[in-house]
Amino acid sequence: AQKITQTQPGMFVQEKEAVTLDCTYDTSDPSYGLFWYKQPSSGEMIFLIYQGSYDQQNATEGRYSLNFQKARKSANLVISASQLGDSAMYFCAMREGRGYQKVTFGTGTKLQVIP
Amino acid sequence: GAVVSQHPSWVICKSGTSVKIECRSLDFQATTMFWYRQFPKQSLMLMATSNEGSKATYEQGVEKDKFLINHASLTLSTLTVTSAHPEDSSFYICSAQNAGASGSDEQFFGPGTRLTVL
Repeated sequence: AQKITQTQPGMFVQEKEAVTLDCTYDTSDPSYGLFWYKQPSSGEMIFLIYQGSYDQQNATEGRYSLNFQKARKSANLVISASQLGDSAMYFCAMREGRGYQKVTFGTGTKLQVIP
Repeated sequence: GAVVSQHPSWVICKSGTSVKIECRSLDFQATTMFWYRQFPKQSLMLMATSNEGSKATYEQGVEKDKFLINHASLTLSTLTVTSAHPEDSSFYICSAQNAGASGSDEQFFGPGTRLTVL
């Protein structure tokens, strides 16, 4: 079974609008962390936001927020007020356990912001 | 934020040659580094976990004799693609965890190395 599932291969959003990128995960480990990364065409992986499994509140970082629904095992990324520079691939990822554990990535969602 | 560099950024080599890619944590110590491979329009696939001072842990299906990993210091890990072939052409990305940091256990990624084997 896939540990990280991103069901949206591609998304379009109008500039200044909000967009939600979906991510569901599968783990039996009670301790895990969820990440979102942005990968522009240059290839670098840019960390956006992190949510720990024991965190009580949804993570927020500027225009990025993570809609964490633990019971549903979903960790959707919400980008508010989209900008042209947000056009990129977005990857959801999960680390199971604590410490120096490997991170598993989803297949990604290509977001295109339309002027 | 912590910075991870990779060298070279891109490399073109002939089939049969070996290529070494360096991953450095510039402003922090990393006892563990990870090597990923990304084919065009695909996700990152973990190849191996590199541990300072010990042997790397390879993912299933990754040939350890072909992809040699050395993590000789807390700031440097190297990936050597031996006897490279065109099917090894890919984007190789490393990441490192800050040994001294707490909180998110965030992995910091290098900018990647694009390998093309002719």
